[in-house]
Amino acid sequence: NAGVMQNPRHLVRRRGQEARLRCSPMKGHSHVYWYRQLPEEGLKFMVYLQKENIIDESGMPKERFSAEFPKEGPSILRIQQVVRGDSAAYFCASSPAWGGGELFFGEGSRLTVL
Amino acid sequence: DAKTTQPTSMDCAEGRAANLPCNHSTISGNEYVYWYRQIHSQGPQYIIHGLKNNETNEMASLIITEDRKSSTLILPHATLRDTAVYYCIVRLLTQGGSEKLVFGKGMKLTVNP
Repeated sequence: NAGVMQNPRHLVRRRGQEARLRCSPMKGHSHVYWYRQLPEEGLKFMVYLQKENIIDESGMPKERFSAEFPKEGPSILRIQQVVRGDSAAYFCASSPAWGGGELFFGEGSRLTVL
Repeated sequence: DAKTTQPTSMDCAEGRAANLPCNHSTISGNEYVYWYRQIHSQGPQYIIHGLKNNETNEMASLIITEDRKSSTLILPHATLRDTAVYYCIVRLLTQGGSEKLVFGKGMKLTVNP
């Protein structure tokens, strides 16, 4: 049973470009969470999605950031017009609809903005 | 905001039990206590969770006080690979969905040879 898969693992972008990070949840999981971790800091919640629905986006910056979890395919975290301050590790986690309650995390995507 | 307080750091000798404390004095009756850890820059790893009763699994034991205002994570025989940042988190579970995990600063555990 494959774990949470994130890609790319490392991404380099220049200021002003777009970054797209993908997350494939564990098989059978329909809940996805995105977190951001700045260098030397803790994990900050960004957004919680279920299939085709955004449940909680209280941690998402108001501009340039968006997330989706379509009926088919991975969840996408999109950052438009990246700035240096967006350089961070972005972690995705998934959980089943109910039961257990554990979030299973991927290994993260590390974005570097030049 | 995180609802838990943990020491900033702790050292433990390899092979000894590591007892990691956590205070959650404002926990409500339907909130669970979760423990995760993050080794170096890897993705956080689930350790254990509980509501009222003490819990044990292959990784650790969780001891929750009777008033639920504090808990202790016990790693029975710490190894060098247990060196990590440990996060104690309180989380509400609702049927049909789950609340997000809110990570605090965590506690850095260093296991020494």
